[in-house]
Amino acid sequence: NAGVTQTPKFRVLKTGQSMTLLCAQDMNHEYMYWYRQDPGMGLRLIHYSVGEGTTAKGEVPDGYNVSRLKKQNFLLGLESAAPSQTSVYFCASSYFPSGRDREQYFGPGTRLTVT
Amino acid sequence: GENVEQHPSTLSVQEGDSAVIKCTYSDSASNYFPWYKQELGKRPQLIIDIRSNVGEKKDQRIAVTLNKTAKHFSLHITETQPEDSAVYFCAASELSGVNKFYFGSGTKLNVKP
Repeated sequence: NAGVTQTPKFRVLKTGQSMTLLCAQDMNHEYMYWYRQDPGMGLRLIHYSVGEGTTAKGEVPDGYNVSRLKKQNFLLGLESAAPSQTSVYFCASSYFPSGRDREQYFGPGTRLTVT
Repeated sequence: GENVEQHPSTLSVQEGDSAVIKCTYSDSASNYFPWYKQELGKRPQLIIDIRSNVGEKKDQRIAVTLNKTAKHFSLHITETQPEDSAVYFCAASELSGVNKFYFGSGTKLNVKP
């Protein structure tokens, strides 16, 4: 199993450009999450999904949109990138509700720079 | 919403010494507390977790303690080794909810040989 994968690994955008980050998991997890990681601020939840076709806002959703058309994929979109969105983005997934496992499994991250 | 505070932000110890990282949380509904280790340039990985029905859990050189009354929990690493050098994150979550994790700001542990 590949676990959780993210595409791309690195990206440089100019202010105002758009892009989509792709997260894929092959563990049949119900829940998926997008986080951003900035120095000294830990991991902050952007958006999450509790199942195919559902999405919800996290702590820092402004400037981002998400979609989960298939259970295994969770897309994060930036419609008009800003320098404040320079960050490392992590996707995670977890299984719920019948299992005892509550661990969130993380992808390798995407380093995004907006100039 | 939940607020998790983590201290210290950096910790430097000599190889073989013990290291302790502390976290506090605000929401009494939180009942699941995982700890993640993130090596430089890598993804966060779970190293230990504890549920609110126990006060302590051990796994070889690492242990976590939980004080529900005071709303704080701690990670203890004994006999530290250079490979323990990493950033450690605590988190709080509610088992019956949507499994959202609220992370602390992280502790950079440096183990000096």
